Order: sequence, then structure tokens, then C-alpha cells
Amino acid sequence: DTGVSQNPRHKITKRGQNVTFRCDPISEHNRLYWYRQTLGQGPEFLTYFQNEAQLEKSRLLSDRFSAERPKGSFSTLEIQRTEQGDSAMYLCASSLRLTWNEQFFGPGTRLTVL
Amino acid sequence: KQEVTQIPAALSVPEGENLVLNCSFTDSAIYNLQWFRQDPGKGLTSLLLIQSSQREQTSGRLNASLDKSSGRSTLYIAASQPGDSATYLCAVGGAGNKLTFGGGTRVLVKP
Repeated sequence: DTGVSQNPRHKITKRGQNVTFRCDPISEHNRLYWYRQTLGQGPEFLTYFQNEAQLEKSRLLSDRFSAERPKGSFSTLEIQRTEQGDSAMYLCASSLRLTWNEQFFGPGTRLTVL
Repeated sequence: KQEVTQIPAALSVPEGENLVLNCSFTDSAIYNLQWFRQDPGKGLTSLLLIQSSQREQTSGRLNASLDKSSGRSTLYIAASQPGDSATYLCAVGGAGNKLTFGGGTRVLVKP
């Protein structure tokens, strides 16, 4: 399968714990995006990378959130000291660099914070 | 700040009827517009991508139009089938091609 993959698919954690999610984009795609989607809403942009450089972060991305893409391939999103409000679906997408290119999404990681 | 609205929020139609889904956006300075399908608990599947210079795109039973000047896009699905039941999301691409999404239209096609 050559699509975008995300792991884990589901994560249940207790409030205050740290969690890390992984995204593997389509191999030739140099842009990678993270979005968050809460129940009944459309996804909201969190951050994006071009190769290994993080080019933009949303104000939604508090100090407890950090994202990396160390070698310009896979990316990780870490949430420290999770809160119940962090419960959501975290979606990753990738595209080619050109601004008008189509984004392809992974299956998402559903986070539940108890 | 770009805002995207989708009306109606939910739609129920009998099988065979054509579907018309609406999307409006406030800032016409967009690079592209994408329509997605999302099944419950799943990720997003891209249906159609319309570049800002285009007026419409077609794929099979799907046709999407774009009117940048009025800030509107419409997705038409011909001869709906129960398998078309899903949530349909519209998203506009801005700087960096980061997408701003609407809230979606939940579609139920009844057999």
C-alpha cells in the first residue's frame, strides 16, 4: 500500500500522560500536514512541513504539542500532559510541494483522554 | 481569516435522486478547492480537486463547480446510491496549501 499511513489507529490514555503519533507520507511527497478533527466538525489545520522544515504552526498548537519530521520522511506529533480537551481524531496528509497539489489523507489516529 | 460553510448540515434522499451539496467561502484568494468523503470513524478520501483557474471538474457521477468571485462551490452527485451515504467535506487551499474545511454535510441515501 503506497498511501499515507498513521500509527497507532487508536490511543486511550489518562489525563496528564504523554502520547506520540506517527505519520508516514506517500514516499515522493515533500509536504506533510497535521490536522485535528473533533466530533461533528471539519478538520482544523495544526502544522505543516516542507521536507524537514516546519513552515507554519496554528495557534491551536499549544506549548504542549510538538511535531517533528527529522529526515523529511515520516513525522511524529507529541502531546505532553494530555487533557480531556485533546480527545480528537488526528489526521495526517501529504502532497507534493506545488501549492495547487492535491492532499492525500491517512486513516487518522483517534485519541481518547480519560 | 478564511471561513468555509457547508449547507445543509444533513441531507436525506431516496436512492436514485441527484444530490446537490453547497460550499461557500469568505476569501476568494484561494489556490484550489477539494471535496472529500469521510465515512464514520475513518480518514478522508479525496473526490475532486478544482484549481483556482478552473470552473469545474468531473469524475464519474461526480461534478464539482467553482465560482471564485462569489465564493461558492457545488458538488453534484448523480443518481445517488446507498453507498454514497457519508459525510462530504469541502476544503479551500490557501497559502502553503493548508486547507480550511467546512463543517461537512452528512448524507443519507435511503434504499
